[in-house]
Formats: sequence, structure tokens, C-alpha cells
Amino acid sequence: DAKTTQPPSMDCAEGRAANLPCNHSTISGNEYVYWYRQIHSQGPQYIIHGLKNNETNEMASLIITEDRKSSTLILPHATLRDTAVYYCIVSRDSGAGSYQLTFGKGTKLSVIP
Amino acid sequence: DAGVIQSPRHEVTEMGQEVTLRCKPISGHNSLFWYRQTMMRGLELLIYFNNNVPIDDSGMPEDRFSAKMPNASFSTLKIQPSEPRDSAVYFCASRRDSYSNQPQHFGDGTRLSIL
Repeated sequence: DAKTTQPPSMDCAEGRAANLPCNHSTISGNEYVYWYRQIHSQGPQYIIHGLKNNETNEMASLIITEDRKSSTLILPHATLRDTAVYYCIVSRDSGAGSYQLTFGKGTKLSVIP
Repeated sequence: DAGVIQSPRHEVTEMGQEVTLRCKPISGHNSLFWYRQTMMRGLELLIYFNNNVPIDDSGMPEDRFSAKMPNASFSTLKIQPSEPRDSAVYFCASRRDSYSNQPQHFGDGTRLSIL
């Protein structure tokens, strides 16, 4: 699976949009971009995923560049409850139907009052 | 809808004892994953099942670790004998389809401490 690069930490003011970047310059055509977050002492929570089109759901938006080498997760109105570690993961079907998730260190997002 | 349910939430035991962690996947999900999270190594995949069959156990650290899935609604991860270095948070996740890009959904984990 392609490697991802994320900033180790970011701050965001409460009520503002949080834009979390992710670089995945070696991504291949059949690899999906997944975003998860982990709030302290809880299990990772799925946020959103996409292949090449931008995606939006009730939690966030995922913007993937046209060349697919980077993406941005957007939380439109950050709240204190959004403080968490955010993981960007690139995954493909290895042939066994796995789409395994390989977690890196992620970005620690702190939402500040 | 009920999410992935893991038990116990916390387990403290002495080294050498057998430890059994339990997981109930989301109803109707066909894939189940076991992960381990430590400060040093982060979140690692140990083993996963499709339709109750183990597909890849290459992440299982040693023969002391074993996992079973006797039916679609239950899985166990067993450590025997346990060692202090096994102390970690163990997560179970499930996915609806065996062969798809659909997301995995995680339980809240079992925090294991081996004294």
C-alpha cells in the first residue's frame, strides 16, 4: 500500500473549518483513501473514504486532488469533541479482498475554545 | 444499531495466565479483524477472517496468540501464556462485505495489562 504523510499536529479554533492534509504521492489507480479518527481511549472511528471523486457525508468532506497524490479532510465546523488523532490511510485490494488498513501516526488535531 | 462489542473492557492478570478476549461483530458483517495498539508500535493488524475463515494471520506475533471465529457472531483472541510485553489495547473491527472497499468499524477495545 502507498505510504501517507501527515503533519504530526494541528490546532483549529472552535467553530472554524479544520482542514487536515495528507500526501500520498505513490498512490496507484486502485487504491482508496480512508480517513479514521481516534478519540482518547476509544476505538478508531470511520469518517469517510474515496477513490478519486470528492466525497461528503454528515461528518466531513474529502477533497482528492486530480492527480490523486494528496487529499484534504475537511471538518466544516470544528467542535471540542473533534479533538482526536486523525489517520489518513491508503489501501487497496491485495487480491484476497482485504482492503487492509495500515495505520500510521496520524495528525493530532486540537480544537481550541 | 449495535456496534462492535468487545469484552472485557479491561483485563489485569499475572504473567503466565491465559487471557481470552471476545468480540461480537456488527450483525450481518462478514469480515472480522483483530488489531493491537501500543505506544511503541501504534495500531497493528494481527489477523482477519472472511466468512469465519482466517485469511491472514501474518500479524500474529507468536504461537502464544491464537484466534478463532466459531460462528458469524463471535470471535476470540487468546494469549497463552501471557507475558508483560503483551500489555496493550486490543481492538476488534468488522466490515460488511468480505471483498469490498467498505469501511471497517471498530469496537472500543480491551485494555490488557499483564503484571
